[in-house]
Amino acid sequence: DIQMTQSPSSLSASVGDRVTITCRASQSISSYLNWYQQKPGKAPNLLIYTASTLQSGVPSRFSGSGSGTDFTLTISSLQPEDFATYYCQQSYIIPCTFGQGTRLEIK
Amino acid sequence: EMQLVESGGGLVQPGGSLRLSCVASGFTFSSYAMHWFRQAPGKGLEYVSLISHNGESTYSADSVKGRFTISRDNSKNTLYLQMDSLSTEDMAVYYCAREIYLSGRWFDPWGQGTLVTVSS
Repeated sequence: DIQMTQSPSSLSASVGDRVTITCRASQSISSYLNWYQQKPGKAPNLLIYTASTLQSGVPSRFSGSGSGTDFTLTISSLQPEDFATYYCQQSYIIPCTFGQGTRLEIK
Repeated sequence: EMQLVESGGGLVQPGGSLRLSCVASGFTFSSYAMHWFRQAPGKGLEYVSLISHNGESTYSADSVKGRFTISRDNSKNTLYLQMDSLSTEDMAVYYCAREIYLSGRWFDPWGQGTLVTVSS
């Protein structure tokens, strides 16, 4: 299975901050990388697919980049509703494995 | 509106069985591969199983292989997960999700999840 490693595991930030989360795959996954946001008690919500394509309805402050093994999710200006846990997921090979998650907390 | 609604979770004893269902609406269910994921309490997301659009191909993660069976009934727009020989390690919220495969593969929408509790 492909291992996905996210960093940091947790992050404290303030409203208006720019935040970057990184995700590294144990082997090349081309651009088969998705990002999800999950709030407590809720299902994951797709933010970005194929590394950099914004899902319909997702605010433009979210962006993704990368290819091969290294990827980033950036939130340009944090809003109160963005405090949640974020997961990367590779979809290059089944099983589609996830990073361990990054918990974004209010400073 | 596209929607997936899971049901069938509950409390089961170790060694017991449970069948989860996931009813789809708002899209042509028979055109899409479907997947199950799970999330143990306080933990991250884990891949469980997939089934092709017509049910002819399936895959299960090693952690559930031989114990869980994925199936679908396209006439009822319903996905299933038969879970046998359950252990405490299977306790989790189970989510179904639709696969979209175009220039890549991604999952949207997801159901709200159904909680499986394994305890004596």
